[in-house]
Amino acid sequence: QVQLQESGPGLVKPSETLSLTCTVSGGSISGGSYYWSWIRQPAGAGLEWIGHIYTTGSIMTTDYNPSLRSRVVISMDMSKKQFSLQLHSVTAADTAVYYCARELTYFDHWGQGTLVAVSS
Amino acid sequence: DIRMTQSPSSLSASVGDRVTVTCQASQDISSSLHWYQQKPGKAPKLLIYDVSNLETGVPSRFSGSGSGTHFTFTISSLQPEDIAIYYCQQYESLPHTFGPGTKLELK
Repeated sequence: QVQLQESGPGLVKPSETLSLTCTVSGGSISGGSYYWSWIRQPAGAGLEWIGHIYTTGSIMTTDYNPSLRSRVVISMDMSKKQFSLQLHSVTAADTAVYYCARELTYFDHWGQGTLVAVSS
Repeated sequence: DIRMTQSPSSLSASVGDRVTVTCQASQDISSSLHWYQQKPGKAPKLLIYDVSNLETGVPSRFSGSGSGTHFTFTISSLQPEDIAIYYCQQYESLPHTFGPGTKLELK
């Protein structure tokens, strides 16, 4: 059974970079038909897809939500079975629970989520 | 971006009731729609994929239908454990977008 686990700081200062890592266990992260996504959810609000990464052989491809594209980088370390999120120049509006998820058009496996607060 | 709307935004129902939630897309998304259930403090859980296909292990009281721009999600007989927020999600085009959610409460 595939499991995902987010890790990273729970507090980030305004204008700095939010960095999270998702560790995948119980399955392969490379090849196949799967994409690996980041999704966030502000408190009491809905879900926003941030972007995803997928591999075709050794080639990694990313897609990002246009609303965040200028500030987001998603990367992958296949040897560690991890993929990561960097969100630059954060503001209070980036405070949210961040989820990593396995994607196959639908998101069928999710991490438990990690709350990241942006505050000085 | 494709905008997803849901109605109602909240719904109060009794155990055993039939419950229906509507999801509407701002443009034709064919059958590119999934449904999720989210309980407090938990990650969303996939219930239905591609409009009407039940994810493995999901009770048969859950169902979905629709195509194009109009979709429905139904619980045939509401159970106490179904109290949650329900979201639709389109994948017709990137970025993936979700509906704002429908909060289901017990009457």
